[in-house]
Amino acid sequence: AQSVTQLDSHVSVSEGTPVLLRCNYSSSYSPSLFWYVQHPNKGLQLLLKYTSAATLVKGINGFEAEFKKSETSFHLTKPSAHMSDAAEYFCVVTASSNFGNEKLTFGTGTRLTIIP
Amino acid sequence: EAQVTQNPRYLITVTGKKLTVTCSQNMNHEYMSWYRQDPGLGLRQIYYSMNVEVTDKGDVPEGYKVSRKEKRNFPLILESPSPNQTSLYFCASSLYSGTTYEQYFGPGTRLTVT
Repeated sequence: AQSVTQLDSHVSVSEGTPVLLRCNYSSSYSPSLFWYVQHPNKGLQLLLKYTSAATLVKGINGFEAEFKKSETSFHLTKPSAHMSDAAEYFCVVTASSNFGNEKLTFGTGTRLTIIP
Repeated sequence: EAQVTQNPRYLITVTGKKLTVTCSQNMNHEYMSWYRQDPGLGLRQIYYSMNVEVTDKGDVPEGYKVSRKEKRNFPLILESPSPNQTSLYFCASSLYSGTTYEQYFGPGTRLTVT
């Protein structure tokens, strides 16, 4: 079984300040973790993924996330927010125990608002 | 261009009128899946397919059917739509080879059932 908890449904930051979106996961097996972004009226785009290699993962548009097994967390960060970062962000987990079903389990999303 | 396409993008229909949402990918992916997105619930898997003629239920399969007769296509069928199937639907595909491959998503189909 696997699950994801996004700890904040809505985060607001000022342009140029750091972004932190929090995610905790639960998985019976070694997980793969992802962050996807969804801009308004758009599809889903992969930001970054962790697949048991380096625990600090760098993604597109300056985002990065750190896998912390002891804390079962995979928080998303960015040093300086840009107006174009305003979107909904999903933390996602999958695990090799799914016997061929590469099912992604999504968190409920965090809406990021950027204040000019 | 590598992509997943869905049609239609928007659909308004009435209760009980059968409909099909098509999904096609041009990346020769074995694995395809359907999700629905509802406010406050994230995305939930409806059905998935590991290859041609191999399909199975996800977390919320009730009221839906799928078929996989060709590798590139994975249509979602609502035999008798009901208002609780009003949602945003996404098709996804990936190489079937473990959990490390990116899943590519289609642009979404917004369905309203009245």
